[in-house]
Amino acid sequence: AQTVTQSQPEMSVQEAETVTLSCTYDTSENNYYLFWYKQPPSRQMILVIRQEAYKQQNATENRFSVNFQKAAKSFSLKISDSQLGDTAMYFCAFIEPNTGNQFYFGTGTSLTVIP
Amino acid sequence: DAGVIQSPRHEVTEMGQEVTLRCKPISGHNSLFWYRQTMMRGLELLIYFNNNVPIDDSGMPEDRFSAKMPNASFSTLKIQPSEPRDSAVYFCASSITRGEQYFGPGTRLTVT
Repeated sequence: AQTVTQSQPEMSVQEAETVTLSCTYDTSENNYYLFWYKQPPSRQMILVIRQEAYKQQNATENRFSVNFQKAAKSFSLKISDSQLGDTAMYFCAFIEPNTGNQFYFGTGTSLTVIP
Repeated sequence: DAGVIQSPRHEVTEMGQEVTLRCKPISGHNSLFWYRQTMMRGLELLIYFNNNVPIDDSGMPEDRFSAKMPNASFSTLKIQPSEPRDSAVYFCASSITRGEQYFGPGTRLTVT
């Protein structure tokens, strides 16, 4: 069964510091895509970053980067120079295009950036 | 593009009443998803459509819930009759094949 596990329900980080959110997943497919979504208090779901499983290079978007370990089925999100606006719930998700367009989401990590 | 549009943004209704949530996906997207989010259960996929056809409705809680997508630019999620346990935020999202999902702002439903 396809599952996504986020083992850290809550985390906090000091403003300007770096924090890493963990995510593991389970799939028997070789072709899939991974995502991190951010949900701030406004509750709008916002795409943060995307990683294709066939790419070895880790994706980066400004202060956000991932550590993609395909063999370990691990997909962590690193936030550098944390800002107060990063306070949000973060969801890890993946999709297996060969088996449909359905997304599998983790349970989320609530991140608080402390001033 | 205006993004995924959902209406209403807030809905308060009494138990037993019919509730209809509406969604307009991003133009050109061929997949549409309905989710429900609560504190207790997190984010749950209710149903999704590919090219206006329902593909997986296994997440629909019970017969009180129904969803339609009459064309590529409109979908509805109906609850009849509504119950207090249906109170949640309902999200609509759309995507292209193999693409990331884009979410609407959500509808906060309160059933009293």
